[in-house]
Amino acid sequence: NAGVTQTPKFRVLKTGQSMTLLCAQDMNHEYMYWYRQDPGMGLRLIHYSVGEGTTAKGEVPDGYNVSRLKKQNFLLGLESAAPSQTSVYFCASRGNTYEQYFGPGTRLTVT
Amino acid sequence: EDQVTQSPEALRLQEGESSSLNCSYTVSGLRGLFWYRQDPGKGPEFLFTLYSAGEEKEKERLKATLTKKESFLHITAPKPEDSATYLCAVPHSGGGADGLTFGKGTHLIIQP
Repeated sequence: NAGVTQTPKFRVLKTGQSMTLLCAQDMNHEYMYWYRQDPGMGLRLIHYSVGEGTTAKGEVPDGYNVSRLKKQNFLLGLESAAPSQTSVYFCASRGNTYEQYFGPGTRLTVT
Repeated sequence: EDQVTQSPEALRLQEGESSSLNCSYTVSGLRGLFWYRQDPGKGPEFLFTLYSAGEEKEKERLKATLTKKESFLHITAPKPEDSATYLCAVPHSGGGADGLTFGKGTHLIIQP
């Protein structure tokens, strides 16, 4: 099992550009999450999904959109990137218990 | 509002020098407390789940304990490979919300 995978690993965007981050899990988990991690701020929840076709807002959703068209995939989109979105993005998933399993992260820089 | 506070922010130990990391929490209706290890440039790696006061879990040189207000991660005779940031987290307690509330972590350095 690969667990949770994320693509790309690194990306540099210019302000105003758009991009999509892909998360995939092979554990048949219903729940999937997107977090961002910033120095001094810890991990913060952006959006999450409780099953295929569902999405919901987390703590810091502004400027991001998500989609869960297939159970194993959870996409995070930035429509118009801003320097404040420079961060490390982590995807996670869980089954019926509350512990979450994380991917390796995507380091995004917006200039 | 859920709160998770970890201390100290950073800890430097000599190899073999045992110590403890603290995680204090404020949450309505605890549904578990989780410990993760995070290495530089990597995602958090799940270590333990604790569900009720008095519960203990062990893995190699690590032991996690839980009271009604805090959790401790005890590190016994650490080795340099135990160097990492240790995170604790609790599930959101807000109605309908999901996800974990994380502390800011303890950056642990074990010197040979």
